[in-house]
Amino acid sequence: QSALTQPRSVSGSPGQSVTISCTGTSSDVGGYHYVSWYQQYPGEAPKLIIYDVSRRPSGVADRFSGSKSGNTASLTISGLQADDEGDYYCCAYAGSYTIIFGGGTKLTVL
Amino acid sequence: QLQESGPGLVKPSETLSLTCAVSGDSLSNTNYYWGWLRQPPGKGLEWIGSIYYGGNLYYSPSLKSRVTISLDTSKNQFSLNLNSVTAADTAIYYCARRYYGSGTTFDPWGRGTLITVSS
Repeated sequence: QSALTQPRSVSGSPGQSVTISCTGTSSDVGGYHYVSWYQQYPGEAPKLIIYDVSRRPSGVADRFSGSKSGNTASLTISGLQADDEGDYYCCAYAGSYTIIFGGGTKLTVL
Repeated sequence: QLQESGPGLVKPSETLSLTCAVSGDSLSNTNYYWGWLRQPPGKGLEWIGSIYYGGNLYYSPSLKSRVTISLDTSKNQFSLNLNSVTAADTAIYYCARRYYGSGTTFDPWGRGTLITVSS
């Protein structure tokens, strides 16, 4: 199993939208409806922001949305705010009860 | 709420043992798995394994030969043992609750505990 592929960094200005991609294979991202996204600030534990590709936990702003097309999942953050700056990780089910993560994307708010 | 506890420092070739104390929920709740994950300093996340109250155990293929996860329902805690550790096992170790029926939904996470492997 290989890690999912994410861009190392993305950036955007306040108010803009950014999209972070997460590319896998037909054996993980493309094969199941189980993709989640986690937000992590320095020194803190990851926080769930999207699960099952596009579902948002209660308490997570609707500026965060998820989608999937083929073997690539995407996280879109609209109306970018300063406190969105951090690291974002995708996570996918890879079959046989195993789970893999992406390498992480550092979001910078300019 | 989940809280990890461990030794902080482990010598190479020894066994790392961690415990995750769960409060506000029960390990026997069949709606959840209970899992361990880790993050080497400055690097990404890695799933180690998950356990279900019914006894189902699932491990990362890359760590399977060295990992054991177990439940102690009397103390409402679960544990991780990782043997034959090397410097590559230095990481922040997190425990987390995973939703049954949702393959990758880890929520919430513990605050994490840093484990350093060094002589």
